[in-house]
Amino acid sequence: GAGVSQSPSNKVTEKGKDVELRCDPISGHTALYWYRQSLGQGLEFLIYFQGNSAPDKSGLPSDRFSAERTGGSVSTLTIQRTQQEDSAVYLCASSSRTGRNEQFFGPGTRLTVL
Amino acid sequence: AQRVTQPEKLLSVFKGAPVELKCNYSYSGSPELFWYVQYSRQRLQLLLRHISRESIKGFTADLNKGETSFHLKKPFAQEEDSAMYYCALRQYGGSQGNLIFGKGTKLSVKP
Repeated sequence: GAGVSQSPSNKVTEKGKDVELRCDPISGHTALYWYRQSLGQGLEFLIYFQGNSAPDKSGLPSDRFSAERTGGSVSTLTIQRTQQEDSAVYLCASSSRTGRNEQFFGPGTRLTVL
Repeated sequence: AQRVTQPEKLLSVFKGAPVELKCNYSYSGSPELFWYVQYSRQRLQLLLRHISRESIKGFTADLNKGETSFHLKKPFAQEEDSAMYYCALRQYGGSQGNLIFGKGTKLSVKP
């Protein structure tokens, strides 16, 4: 079946603009994660959704970042008033409750803030 | 503090040589440890996890709780092993908690 998909694959924006990044998890996966991959910083956890529970937002770096997950499926990560330090690859992952609970990653969205 | 440390940013070896990618962790609870790999122009994928005690693509990793380490080893490196490797942990039995990643080690296997 199809894996995790993300769009757009690349996004270039100007400082101060808002951006929306989309993630389509694997069908049937109840858990969805957002991570940020910055040069020299590795992967940082941002936010985690599990079913209908309140999301774990503990990794969001500032209140400019927010995310929602509609209908327990598609998720959108929104960054308001983008800054140059927001430039990174944003990765989405999903996992199921059953089996190995392995997190399957999407290809990422490369965000460049000019 | 919960932390994963990969001391080497870059590791370069020749084909056929043994390779060891180091990973140390700091965690107050009982962690579950993972190695993820990202080949060039491919997405991040799970390589192995400590609870499975398996060998994948010739790689093994043993959890050493005394030394808080989870080093990744392969006795004979191949050129196709060249990739970015990330060590990660989460709460053991935490089911679906987020992963805490190290900063990664780039492995380059030369012919």
